[in-house]
Amino acid sequence: KNEVEQSPQNLTAQEGEFITINCSYSVGISALHWLQQHPGGGIVSLFMLSSGKKKHGRLIATINIQEKHSSLHITASHPRDSAVYICAAITLTGTASKLTFGTGTRLQVTL
Amino acid sequence: NAGVTQTPKFQVLKTGQSMTLQCAQDMNHNSMYWYRQDPGMGLRLIYYSASEGTTDKGEVPNGYNVSRLNKREFSLRLESAAPSQTSVYFCASSWWDFYNEQFFGPGTRLTVL
Repeated sequence: KNEVEQSPQNLTAQEGEFITINCSYSVGISALHWLQQHPGGGIVSLFMLSSGKKKHGRLIATINIQEKHSSLHITASHPRDSAVYICAAITLTGTASKLTFGTGTRLQVTL
Repeated sequence: NAGVTQTPKFQVLKTGQSMTLQCAQDMNHNSMYWYRQDPGMGLRLIYYSASEGTTDKGEVPNGYNVSRLNKREFSLRLESAAPSQTSVYFCASSWWDFYNEQFFGPGTRLTVL
């Protein structure tokens, strides 16, 4: 079992729908990244957060470190949001950091 | 600014051959990373370099070597390629450490026959 689990694995939505992608982790973490991988393969960083909520345009990310859960929300979804969304948790082992990735949620937004 | 560049984009090797994947960034970042991405497994860290002159093993370092040539460049070498190393390889960089935004290169698709 991965230390970082994402759900759902695949998601299809109609344009305009509100979308939620979940990320849960089984170990203590200090922060978490959300990434977007475009259909062509390119990866961009969306958010890094260690507490609370961050918003950028139609994207909102929330995290509850104690409950070991983070969510990525997309409001008023659009076909251009179709991509794979990946969460990555930062764990601390002694003085060393480790970055563990989820396997991604594939989102398809249709007209 | 080009951001993070990787060469080559595609490569086919035979088992036992060697090759070096090149990565360069022009953002004056201190940290650089090499990842591999395999279907169903997500991204996994191979090696990283927190600063010029230092390198550290990640989750899956076996079969690879790295060189942080200078602040801009971080190369990944496969000394004797194996079919298990068939993957897509991404280089990334960040200002300081894992807590900073990472900027990814376009990836190299490597097939080992």
